[in-house]
Amino acid sequence: DVQMTQSPSTLSASVGDTVTITCRASQSVNSWLAWYQQKAGKAPQLLIYDASSLQSGVPSRFSGSGSGTEFTLTIRSLQPDDFATYYCQQYNSYSSYSFGQGTKLEIK
Amino acid sequence: QLQLQESGPGLVKPSETLSLTCTVSGGSINRNSYYWGWIRQPPGKGLEWLGNIYHSGTTYYKSSLESRVTISIDTSNNQFSLRLTSVTAADTAVYFCARVIARRGIRGVILASGWLDPWGQGTLVTVSS
Repeated sequence: DVQMTQSPSTLSASVGDTVTITCRASQSVNSWLAWYQQKAGKAPQLLIYDASSLQSGVPSRFSGSGSGTEFTLTIRSLQPDDFATYYCQQYNSYSSYSFGQGTKLEIK
Repeated sequence: QLQLQESGPGLVKPSETLSLTCTVSGGSINRNSYYWGWIRQPPGKGLEWLGNIYHSGTTYYKSSLESRVTISIDTSNNQFSLRLTSVTAADTAVYFCARVIARRGIRGVILASGWLDPWGQGTLVTVSS
């Protein structure tokens, strides 16, 4: 199984900051990677798919990059609504997928 | 707008079977481009994929749970279901259903893996006597 590792596990930042979350795969997943945002008590919401494609309706301050084994999610000009937990998910495996352990973005 | 809603008992006794249903509204479960999946999240922990199903009934399960998991589909009622047998406290979690936007492989073959959107709101299942 492909293991996904996110870093950092927790990130403290202020409104207006730019932050980057990294997701590393134990083997190449090409560009088959998605990012989700999850707020407490809610279901995850899709932000990015195919590593860098922005889901419709998601603000352009969110961006994704990377391929192979290393990927990043960048959030520019943090807004109060952005403080949440973020997960990466690989879907390179033809019949299964796996998630990173999550990165909690906290207000500094 | 497509919506998914999980339903089922919130409390299951150890060694018994957990059964949940996901009802899809605002679109057909029969669409060729999509799989339908179950994901769970233990309290305070991360996300774990359980399995996917296609409208044809083709299923894929997480290998470590394959002996206990069954996913089925009822296209006439636009629903799909999860059964997890022999549950323990470790199966206590919020269970989500989601649509899988299946990626395509060689010659456009639809694969069972993709990104997830949208998700149901989730339902907490507690395993306790």
